Parts: sequence; structure tokens; C-alpha cells
Amino acid sequence: QVQLQESGPGLVKPSETLSLTCAVSGVSISNYFWSWIRQSPGEGLEWIGYISHSESAKYNPSLWSRLTISVDTSKSQFYLKLTSVTAADTAVYYCARHNYDKAFDVWGQGTMVTVSS
Amino acid sequence: DIQMTQSPSSLSTSEGDRVTITCRASQSISNFLNWYQQKPGKPPKLLIYATSTLQSGVPSRFSGSGSGTEFTLTISSLHPEDFATYFCQQSFKTPRTFGQGTKVEIK
Repeated sequence: QVQLQESGPGLVKPSETLSLTCAVSGVSISNYFWSWIRQSPGEGLEWIGYISHSESAKYNPSLWSRLTISVDTSKSQFYLKLTSVTAADTAVYYCARHNYDKAFDVWGQGTMVTVSS
Repeated sequence: DIQMTQSPSSLSTSEGDRVTITCRASQSISNFLNWYQQKPGKPPKLLIYATSTLQSGVPSRFSGSGSGTEFTLTISSLHPEDFATYFCQQSFKTPRTFGQGTKVEIK
């Protein structure tokens, strides 16, 4: 079945860069769009951005100046890079697949990232 | 951005009860409305997409309706495993936005 797995450091220092990987298995990464979504402790869900296999990307305007989402189809992985992080970027980060109706139908388990010195 | 507002924010209810959660969009989103269920420590799970289409494997006691700016999620008879937080989400425009969530608790 389709599985997504996030990986990356759990602790990032303020002003540094947060980098995460989402490994996709059970389906061709080329057939779908893929998103990053985050959830701050006790807070709601925030869509970060999406990418397609052709590297067509769309970002949340609230983050676009600090954000890069990329894909490596040969590795069946896509990536998140968020620069100049602050405590406000502390959250559980999820990767997710879009179905053809643009809903997020498959999610990774999430990875907690804490921004702290 | 399209603002999504859910009501109520929380509700206490009992097994077997009928539950209705409302989601309002700040502008028309046609039928591009999705519902998710989230349990503590787990990722959200897609229940319903495109307003009323049940995701594969989701029990038929869940249903969705609405259009334009007002939408509802209904659970016809609450089961113990349905106590969770529910989120709506619009996929009409980017940035995709979510409601703040409705926590369904045991009375």
C-alpha cells in the first residue's frame, strides 16, 4: 500500500535551516501532487506547499520567502527546506499525497521539529 | 486566503448520538470541501472529499453535504472510535486552508 515517511532532525536552532525528506513507497511519485503540512502543538493545521513530479510547486504566501520544496523522482522522495526558522516554526510536519480531487488522502506519520537553542 | 470556520469548537456527546459539525468558508468554494478525522498522536485521516464522497473504507455512518460557503459533516450514530477531532479543509484555491477543528468528546 502507499506509504509516506518523513525524516529529518528533530531539533533546529533559531535562524538555521529546517530540512525534511518524505520517502514515498507503494506508488509512483510521478502520478500525483505532494504536499507538506504542519501542525503546531495544540494548534490547527497549516498547509505549507505542494510539488508535482515535474517540479511545479505552489507555496503558502506566509512562508514563500523562506521555503523551497523539491522532488527527486529517481529516489521517490520530496523535500522541504525552510530557512531562518524561529520558535514559531516548531510543529509536527507531515507530508501528504493529493488525490485527484485535491484532498490529502495519504499522510505520513509526522515528524516533530522543535526550534530551540 | 479563504478562512474556514467550524462550529462548534467542541461538543460532548454520547455513543449512539447523531452529530452534526458545520464548516463555513469566507467565500464560495463550490464543492471543494474535505473532512478529516484526527486522533491524538496520529495524522489526520481523510473521511470525505468533494463535499460528499466517502473515502474508501470509511463507514457509511459518516456523510457530508453543502455547497458554496456552508457545509456539514454528519455522523448518524456515534461509535466509540469516533471520539476525535474533525477538521474541514478547502481545496478550491491555494493556499489550502483548514478549519480550526471540532473536538468530539464523551459526555
